[in-house]
Amino acid sequence: DTAVSQTPKYLVTQMGNDKSIKCEQNLGHDTMYWYKQDSKKFLKIMFSYNNKELIINETVPNRFSPKSPDKAHLNLHINSLELGDSAVYFCASSSWTGVGNTIYFGEGSWLTVV
Amino acid sequence: KNEVEQSPQNLTAQEGEFITINCSYSVGISALHWLQQHPGGGIVSLFMLSSGKKKHGRLIATINIQEKHSSLHITASHPRDSAVYICAAAALTMNYGGSQGNLIFGKGTKLSVKP
Repeated sequence: DTAVSQTPKYLVTQMGNDKSIKCEQNLGHDTMYWYKQDSKKFLKIMFSYNNKELIINETVPNRFSPKSPDKAHLNLHINSLELGDSAVYFCASSSWTGVGNTIYFGEGSWLTVV
Repeated sequence: KNEVEQSPQNLTAQEGEFITINCSYSVGISALHWLQQHPGGGIVSLFMLSSGKKKHGRLIATINIQEKHSSLHITASHPRDSAVYICAAAALTMNYGGSQGNLIFGKGTKLSVKP
């Protein structure tokens, strides 16, 4: 039973389209994240939600809109896709604070914009 | 200069060798993570450290808070250890507090262990 699951794993789409990536965690965590790994394999945080509230929003274009319907889900919607959006997007979850609470990553969603 | 620096960028070792990967950071942190990314792309958290040393099997992670430095050691390396190892600082900031996932990542160390 996967702890953090993302769908789809692979997505190829045309410029200008709107797409969503879904993420669900069954660990009972209260905080979820989206990270982007670019073509140079560098990871960077995009968003963090704690108890369905946006906590971190790191200089991400407005075309990216996270949505958290409940604590177990954090979906990423992207409008008007651009070539530069091609990347691997990782969802993750953790408890908000507390030493010893590690972070769990999903398998990644490979987005290719053509 | 990145806030989290790793060295070396690439590392090739023979099976059985002792391996060390270093990480230096320049921000205040609540914890430091060592992550492993396999060729298939999945990311696994190996350690989360806020002080001292942790050991799991052949892997050992240490952190020196005063010097803002951490190391990941692999003893008796094996080809299955081949992966990218990423250091990530859970940064303390005025806006975001100490969320474990508020991570600033190093660029990773690509390790290849030859049989």
